[in-house]
Amino acid sequence: EVQLVESGGDLVQPGGSLRLSCAASGFTFSEYWMHWVRRAPGKGLEWIFSLNGDGTTIIHADSVKGRFTVSRDNAKNTLFLQMNSLRAEDTAVYYCTREDCSGGFCKKFEYWGQGTLVTVSS
Amino acid sequence: VMTQTPSSSPVTVGQPASISCTSSQSLVHSDGNTYLSWLQQRPGQPPRVLIYALSNRFSGVPDRFSGSGAGTDFTLKISRVEAEDVGVYYCMQGTHFPYTFGQGTKLEIK
Repeated sequence: EVQLVESGGDLVQPGGSLRLSCAASGFTFSEYWMHWVRRAPGKGLEWIFSLNGDGTTIIHADSVKGRFTVSRDNAKNTLFLQMNSLRAEDTAVYYCTREDCSGGFCKKFEYWGQGTLVTVSS
Repeated sequence: VMTQTPSSSPVTVGQPASISCTSSQSLVHSDGNTYLSWLQQRPGQPPRVLIYALSNRFSGVPDRFSGSGAGTDFTLKISRVEAEDVGVYYCMQGTHFPYTFGQGTKLEIK
């Protein structure tokens, strides 16, 4: 069974840092693109990062450029999101999701974690 | 930019519902597919993709949900709304980076 479990969310002060993890199980982690998506309170969904299977291709949203980085440890089946210089507007639930390519289609996001809440406030 | 309408939709159980999404650019990918998805997010739950690549349902998604459209204009239809369909619905394009979502449509039961 495919499982994605995020952790690391917390209350942090503006300007602070936080590292989120997404532990994957039930599939060969290194074979899949992984993505981070967030939802701020009262707002819609926002895609923030995509990372290929071996971690060599990273694509990010402008809203996190220069502040957040993404990485993965395929030996430990874990995806990471390092968040620095946090702002109030980064307050959100952060989700990781797996991208599938099969049956002639890619961009299939069938599996999502439950999310982890990051609150940026003084 | 993905423009989604309406922002809210009060619907009677058993009646149909429809949500529209318009993209500012064509969503036809170089591989020939149109990577437009529809997601449902119930309160306190992670997003769930109902429809991928324009019109394909994931296993377990009721067939009352259907996706259609072409190019820049897309529609999610629910043939007969059930009480469990309450939540926020989003369109999402995965053709071009950055991936983008519509603003969301809150489906409520009258």
